[in-house]
Parts: sequence; structure tokens; C-alpha cells
Amino acid sequence: GAVVSQHPSRVICKSGTSVKIECRSLDFQATTMFWYRQFPKQSLMLMATSNEGSKATYEQGVEKDKFLINHASLTLSTLTVTSAHPEDSSFYICSARWQGGAEKLFFGSGTQLSVL
Amino acid sequence: GQQLNQSPQSMFIQEGEDVSMNCTSSSIFNTWLWYKQDPGEGPVLLIALYKAGELTSNGRLTAQFGTTRKDSFLNISASIPSDVGIYFCAGPHNYGQNFVFGPGTRLSVLP
Repeated sequence: GAVVSQHPSRVICKSGTSVKIECRSLDFQATTMFWYRQFPKQSLMLMATSNEGSKATYEQGVEKDKFLINHASLTLSTLTVTSAHPEDSSFYICSARWQGGAEKLFFGSGTQLSVL
Repeated sequence: GQQLNQSPQSMFIQEGEDVSMNCTSSSIFNTWLWYKQDPGEGPVLLIALYKAGELTSNGRLTAQFGTTRKDSFLNISASIPSDVGIYFCAGPHNYGQNFVFGPGTRLSVLP
């Protein structure tokens, strides 16, 4: 399967600081990438849809000024958690939509964010 | 909106046993994707289904695209400890770019 790389895998930061998470499709181009948040023992919660070269589409209840998404190239999307607070602590996962015809979605390995 | 339901929510089985789980929806899906997620990791694509009635295998895993297009099934034969994890079904949303995910089936394998 195709590879999606997500970094960092784990980050601990102080309250009030910003954290950037990168999501790269390594062996395919992805016009569309998705960002999810996952709470323990729960399913994936879609935060936003990221389209290359355009503004991200945020799901209802997700603060766009808090979670900045940039998709400047066909292989890279970034999520920046601005002015992080302890309630932002969570597991964040990105995915990239396969462009090869058949509908598929490939995921990064996730980022565990802990805000102190 | 479109929703996916998965059954069972969780299951405990003995090593060596076969496992069956399903995914259902009130609306039609044209693609069914099955994923496995290990703790602290992102979901990994196991099987993709694109045609009603399609039966596809990946090693000990077999998945089927239901003929009504409203359900899909995943079977695991001769379970082993590394099968432990959460299994999600998913499908592309009919009216948007995103994908719909089921709540997952949590599998535990007892030695």
C-alpha cells in the first residue's frame, strides 16, 4: 500500500505554545488530505478536509483559527495547533486520498499531543 | 447524514478461533474499506471492496461487499495474538469528499 508519513509521533508542549504536525504522502500525490482527532477508545473524528492550493474545509465545531491547516503541495499538509491548551491534548491522525482511480484512504501513524 | 454501524462493539476470542464482524448502513455505499488500528498507531488498510457481492481475501482475512450495498463483512480465520486491535469499516461519503467511519469493533485474542 501507499505510505503516508506523519511527524512528530509524539509531542509534549507547554500551554500557550504552538505545535506543527506534518503529513506527507511519500509515494503518491494527494490532492485531498484529511485531519482527524481521536479520543481514547473512540472512532476517528474528522476535523477538516485539506485540499491542495485552497483553504481547508472545517467540520462544525472545529475552530479554524485554533487548528491551522496548510496544504501547499500535492504531498504535504500541515496542522498547526495554535496557543495549545490542555484540552487540546489528543491523538491527531492525518490521511491522504489515493488518486489512482480506486477509492482508498491511507493514514499516517498519528501524533500524540500532550499539553502541560 | 450517512452513518455506519459495526457489530459487535467488542469481542473476546480464543487464539485459533475464527472471527466474524459486520458493518451496516441505512444508505448505499459504493466502496467499503476495512482498516485495523493498533494502539497508538494510525489505521492500516486491510481490504478494499468496490463491487456488490465482491469477496476479497488478504491472507487470513476475507471481506465481502454485501449485495444490498448497505453492508459488508470481515472474517478472520485462525486468529493469532497480533490480530488484537480495533477494526474499522469506512466508505466514501456520497455527498462530499470525506469518508464515513464506523465506531469500530475491538478484538481481543486470549492465548
